[in-house]
Amino acid sequence: EAGVTQFPSHSVIEKGQTVTLRCDPISGHDNLYWYRRVMGKEIKFLLHFVKESKQDESGMPNNRFLAERTGGTYSTLKVQPAELEDSGVYFCASSQDRRTTYEQYFGPGTRLTVT
Amino acid sequence: AQSVTQLDSQVPVFEEAPVELRCNYSSSVSVYLFWYVQYPNQGLQLLLKYLSGSTLVESINGFEAEFNKSQTSFHLRKPSVHISDTAEYFCAVRFTHNAGNMLTFGGGTRLMVKP
Repeated sequence: EAGVTQFPSHSVIEKGQTVTLRCDPISGHDNLYWYRRVMGKEIKFLLHFVKESKQDESGMPNNRFLAERTGGTYSTLKVQPAELEDSGVYFCASSQDRRTTYEQYFGPGTRLTVT
Repeated sequence: AQSVTQLDSQVPVFEEAPVELRCNYSSSVSVYLFWYVQYPNQGLQLLLKYLSGSTLVESINGFEAEFNKSQTSFHLRKPSVHISDTAEYFCAVRFTHNAGNMLTFGGGTRLMVKP
């Protein structure tokens, strides 16, 4: 079974540009999460989808970030326009039914560098 | 706000020596506890978890962690480390009074095993 995949693995963009990150969760996982680690700091929660619905987006830093999960399968996270402080590693995770298991399976992350 | 603290950002240790990576969290409410490991150039992998039951949990590669409710801690230990244990270790907590599934992470501890 394939794990959580993320694309691209690295992205270098200039301030003001737009970047879209993609996450493909494990097949059958209804829950999908985005997290971010900026340099030297903790991994922080951004948002949580259940199927195509946003369950919790309390961690989204501002309205320059837009997450979608059309059809309840893969998800995209768009940053527009990117700022220097958006640099970091963006992790995606997925999990099954929240009532039976609490393990979140993480992808390898996308390293975003804004110059 | 709930928080997770990993006091040591780096832990250098010689091969075959014992190691303890410390994790404390801020709240005494019901919690689920996790340790994740990130090997170089890889994603986060679940190492072990505490959901309920025995307060001592073990991983398949010799690590163990003990849930201490009174001290709000979940320290990770291994009696004899190997070079291959070199990685960054993250403590994560799900505070269960929160209706969401988000994980709150500590800042990570980089374990460096020297020959």
